Amino acid sequence: DAKTTQPTSMDCAEGRAANLPCNHSTISGNEYVYWYRQIHSQGPQYIIHGLKNNETNEMASLIITEDRKSSTLILPHATLRDTAVYYCIVAGFQGAQKLVFGQGTRLTINP
Amino acid sequence: SQTIHQWPATLVQPVGSPLSLECTVEGTSNPNLYWYRQAAGRGLQLLFYSVGIGQISSEVPQNLSASRPQDRQFILSSKKLLLSDSGFYLCASGFGGLMYFGPGTRLLVL
Repeated sequence: DAKTTQPTSMDCAEGRAANLPCNHSTISGNEYVYWYRQIHSQGPQYIIHGLKNNETNEMASLIITEDRKSSTLILPHATLRDTAVYYCIVAGFQGAQKLVFGQGTRLTINP
Repeated sequence: SQTIHQWPATLVQPVGSPLSLECTVEGTSNPNLYWYRQAAGRGLQLLFYSVGIGQISSEVPQNLSASRPQDRQFILSSKKLLLSDSGFYLCASGFGGLMYFGPGTRLLVL
């Protein structure tokens, strides 16, 4: 079973920031939050991950609450190519991790 | 970063026929390797993972098997395909929660 809860779908206007929430209230102290996305008919693509501090890379920003029970993925300037299913996953950082992909959030970017 | 190769991209097979899907990895050594399956309109289901040559862990009892004959080669097989084996098969390589996925093989069993 997925250890995270995400909205089933979201819409965002092109050029605006897309904020995707995720709840992970049972996250343990050594687990990280990972975000992946899957564009139609392709394999999932890693986006970003974090432990407790906010993170930013060329694709997105990750905001993790102080109690680590929830997080938000931010796509600062969404484009049509960002339309995809976004998965929030909690997992350890080492060894073989059996990532559990739930249903994710289907994000649609509208022109 | 790593590159994951999978082939074929698409495959149509009759029920009862054998299956062999191959995955090879470039750009890393001794990775953890994974096979996932995604049924139409569904989420990803972990089928097998491997932490080294000859080491296979099965997550779901089913009509499939996996082998890892070389460090960067992972093979998914079946002796007799079932209709329910249809789906999108994805190979992944990684360490911890950081995974790289291949382009996938879309299998249709008729």
